[in-house]
Amino acid sequence: AQSVTQLGSHVSVSEGALVLLRCNYSSSVPPYLFWYVQYPNQGLQLLLKYTSAATLVKGINGFEAEFKKSETSFHLTKPSAHMRDAAEYFCAVTTNYGQNFVFGPGTRLSVLP
Amino acid sequence: SQTIHQWPATLVQPVGSPLSLECTVEGTSNPNLYWYRQAAGRGLQLLFYSVGIGQISSEVPQNLSASRPQDRQFILSSKKLLLSDSGFYLCAWSRQGQETQYFGPGTRLLVL
Repeated sequence: AQSVTQLGSHVSVSEGALVLLRCNYSSSVPPYLFWYVQYPNQGLQLLLKYTSAATLVKGINGFEAEFKKSETSFHLTKPSAHMRDAAEYFCAVTTNYGQNFVFGPGTRLSVLP
Repeated sequence: SQTIHQWPATLVQPVGSPLSLECTVEGTSNPNLYWYRQAAGRGLQLLFYSVGIGQISSEVPQNLSASRPQDRQFILSSKKLLLSDSGFYLCAWSRQGQETQYFGPGTRLLVL
């Protein structure tokens, strides 16, 4: 069975500062890993995904994440935060095409002016 | 391109009333379909998934049921709503044999 933990239910950064959202996973087989973003009262939008190709994955809106097998991590980063990045971010893991898609509890990102 | 629709966007229902939420996908055929619930301040809980017409798998026993009467239509139902059914319901789809899920805009349900 898979599981996902996201350290920090709420992260605040200043505009222009580095964004780092943490995700650690547990999986007995090679995982597929995802980051989704959710703006208020909206569905989830795919930011990026890791599917066993390059370990550094670039996504939309300037975000990227690095898969580190030794640390079982898939942290999300962005060099410079923008006000529009304020949202909730979910890390997710699956192994067999979605039938056991597991989401983390989410991290709410606030961007301060 | 593919699009996914959910309606209604918002729904307020009394306890004990029935429920029907609809999800449709356009631009693809034979998708996998999923229903999730997101309770306030919590993550996403997978409720049901379907790999084909009439094929429904339930992840969590509860007051809800799902049906897939057509290839690209997924319906979430309840005969009698409970207060605990309040939440944000998200429908998602994925291509057969692929891992990425794409989400609809969601339906916010408030049971009073």
